[in-house]
Amino acid sequence: SAVISQKPSRDICQRGTSLTIQCQVDSQVTMMFWYRQQPGQSLTLIATANQGSEATYESGFVIDKFPISRPNLTFSTLTVSNMSPEDSSIYLCSVEEGDYNEQFFGPGTRLTVL
Amino acid sequence: ELKVEQNPLFLSMQEGKNYTIYCNYSTTSDRLYWYRQDPGKSLESLFVLLSNGAVKQEGRLMASLDTKARLSTLHITAAVHDLSATYFCAVDEPGNQFYFGTGTSLTVIP
Repeated sequence: SAVISQKPSRDICQRGTSLTIQCQVDSQVTMMFWYRQQPGQSLTLIATANQGSEATYESGFVIDKFPISRPNLTFSTLTVSNMSPEDSSIYLCSVEEGDYNEQFFGPGTRLTVL
Repeated sequence: ELKVEQNPLFLSMQEGKNYTIYCNYSTTSDRLYWYRQDPGKSLESLFVLLSNGAVKQEGRLMASLDTKARLSTLHITAAVHDLSATYFCAVDEPGNQFYFGTGTSLTVIP
């Protein structure tokens, strides 16, 4: 399966600031996904990022708050804008691989907003 | 709205015992995935179940899928401490969106 890395692995940020999370894959993939996992909770899909098109956001997530870039087939960024303590979560990117739409996940970015 | 529910949410079991985690879903999807997450870690893929009646086994874990009942099970045999983790099921909807279950936090007590 693809090897996925994320930067930063963790960060502590102040309210009102923004953080950009990077996701790098060691192979070309069509679909990349961004998830949020709030403390003790399951995963919630934020958006799907396809190269060459605008990201598709799920209900409850908007581009102004979570802008996403997908400049090529191996890289994507998610920005968490104007952060509040409620944004404290683990943010995970994933890619879809293989014949069975299996998703593989990056190591995650643990964000704490003070 | 698609729902994926797991039970139990929390499970504490003794080493050597058997138990089953249940995953119920509301869609007609015939693909179901099981993942494991260790504390502070990302998700690790365990099983991919692709059709009704599918059964997969790896070590002390066995997963099955009943698409008619919209139910998947993850059976743990003779639990060991290393199996302590949170287990998630996920279903695949058209458009390749995954919906994750609520998660089951498993603690195996020596």
